[in-house]
Amino acid sequence: GAVVSQHPSWVICKSGTSVKIECRSLDFQATTMFWYRQFPKQSLMLMATSNEGSKATYEQGVEKDKFLINHASLTLSTLTVTSAHPEDSSFYICSRTGLPKGYGYTFGSGTRLTVV
Amino acid sequence: GESVGLHLPTLSVQEGDNSIINCAYSNSASDYFIWYKQESGKGPQFIIDIRSNMDKRQGQRVTVLLNKTVKHLSLQIAATQPGDSAVYFCAERKTSYDKVIFGPGTSLSVIP
Repeated sequence: GAVVSQHPSWVICKSGTSVKIECRSLDFQATTMFWYRQFPKQSLMLMATSNEGSKATYEQGVEKDKFLINHASLTLSTLTVTSAHPEDSSFYICSRTGLPKGYGYTFGSGTRLTVV
Repeated sequence: GESVGLHLPTLSVQEGDNSIINCAYSNSASDYFIWYKQESGKGPQFIIDIRSNMDKRQGQRVTVLLNKTVKHLSLQIAATQPGDSAVYFCAERKTSYDKVIFGPGTSLSVIP
């Protein structure tokens, strides 16, 4: 079963409203989690690193006031898209380090956000 | 945010044939390389990885080859099956603590 759970899997919201996406690490405590964004037919772009108990680290060009990240517990990170606009419509995917083996991240199933 | 590339090359193969997916990575200092498979509407799924001190690693039906001289990575899938149809991404990271940065991806389509 999934070891990184993401909710909701899809959401439609009106322009100007805010949307919260949850990412849970189910099998172990994750002090660090990662948020990616993916536009259609494009690669995954790292948005920010979520750090438990401290501020998130944002990648260059990502607006921290628009994409609020909270990592209040060792198993939960949330991404809130504030004042969403149609251009924020995308596939948002969270991840954490560690696999049963290997050097990469384990990814959630993603959240399709559509802003109308 | 960081990413590499904005287009999605495609590869079509006949069922049962071998597939080779190529990737040119960007950072000569990267020490870890990972291949992911992403099916439509889902998050990426780990396939296989390799460290820079190796040039080949084999898994079940998959082989990753690394050529550090030309910064090239390839994924070979043996006896490709319809279930292999997906987008494949190579990814790199400098150290085991650094960010995972994705390449542009290749869409694999398996013809029955």
